[in-house]
Parts: sequence; C-alpha cells; structure tokens
Amino acid sequence: KAGVTQTPRYLIKTRGQQVTLSCSPISGHRSVSWYQQTPGQGLQFLFEYFSETQRNKGNFPGRFSGRQFSNSRSEMNVSTLELGDSALYLCASSLAVQVAEAFFGQGTRLTVV
Amino acid sequence: AQSVTQLGSHVSVSEGALVLLRCNYSSSVPPYLFWYVQYPNQGLQLLLKYTTGATLVKGINGFEAEFKKSETSFHLTKPSAHMSDAAEYFCAVKPGGYQKVTFGTGTKLQVIP
Repeated sequence: KAGVTQTPRYLIKTRGQQVTLSCSPISGHRSVSWYQQTPGQGLQFLFEYFSETQRNKGNFPGRFSGRQFSNSRSEMNVSTLELGDSALYLCASSLAVQVAEAFFGQGTRLTVV
Repeated sequence: AQSVTQLGSHVSVSEGALVLLRCNYSSSVPPYLFWYVQYPNQGLQLLLKYTTGATLVKGINGFEAEFKKSETSFHLTKPSAHMSDAAEYFCAVKPGGYQKVTFGTGTKLQVIP
C-alpha cells in the first residue's frame, strides 16, 4: 500500500513568487491535513480537508490556501512568498476527520530566497 | 482548547540506558494521544497511540507509553536505547470528533555510544 506522497521534495523560490505543493493521500483516505514545520515554531497546523471541504483551519494569513480534489488529492498554495515561509511543509492523511490516526508524507522543503 | 507540553527539548542517554520522554496534555474531553518520531528531512512516523482501553500502550521499535489520566501525562519509554533511536519525538493530542491534532514542540533524543 503506497504511503502519502508529496511533491516536489525540494523547492527554491524567490520572495514575492507563489508556490503550489501537492499531496496524494493513502488510497481510501479522505482527510488531508497540512502542517508547517520550522525550527523556531515547531509543527503548526495549516488546514484540514475532507471531501473537498475545509474542516479546520490554523492561524495563518490568507496567503496560505488549499484545496482538495474529488480523488482526495490536495494542494496548498502560498502567494507572495516571504523569507519566513521557508519551512518543511508536511501533509498527513487519515481515513476521516474524526479518525485520530494520521500518516505523514516526507514533506516538501521550501526555501525562499 | 487542547495543548501539549513536552518537557525537555533535548534529552541525551547512553546506549543501553532507559529512555524517558515526558508529555503532559490538557484537553476538555477524553483525548486520543500519540507519539510520533521524525528522522532528519523525513515526515513523522507513528510510534504508538492511545484511544481507549488499556492505558499501557506498546508501539514499534520497543517503545511504550502509559496514559495516566490523573496526571494528564503520556510519557514515552524504552528500556534500552539504541543508536538508531536518535531522532526527534513528538507527542500529540486530539480531542476527538472534528477537532484538529495538536503537537508538542518536540524532544530531540541523542544516544551516546
């Protein structure tokens, strides 16, 4: 059974640009969550999607957005990149929002220069 | 709202010694509790989880944790540390239902030969 797949693994962008990250959940999983991980702030919750609807949202500015497709694949977008957006972005999938156990992808390392 | 406190951002143990990583939580309702492990530049891997039932939970790689409701704790232990245990460990809580998972700030475990 394939795990959670995140693409790309590494990304370098310039300040002001925008970026889109992709996450393919485990087959059959319908819930996808996104996290930002930095040395200073640790793991911070961005948002969670289930059945193409955002169910939970963290405290991030509107520059951070996401969506989920009918096949449960999810994308997150960050517009007008800032240096502080450099981080490891992690995606996690689970069977449903109510189900506790989440499985993580390897993450996308975003560097903003 | 729920919260997680991990005591000690860095813990060092000798190879073969007991590993004890501390986690305390707060939650308004009986929670699900987790421990995850993260190796450098990787996603998080589930070590073990507590949902209901037996309060002593056994996980992968010889780790176990005990849920103590009276102490609101969920400490992670392993009787004998191995070099391969060197990683960062995260405690997490989910109140259940549609609420999101909250992660602790992590504890980096160093194993000294």
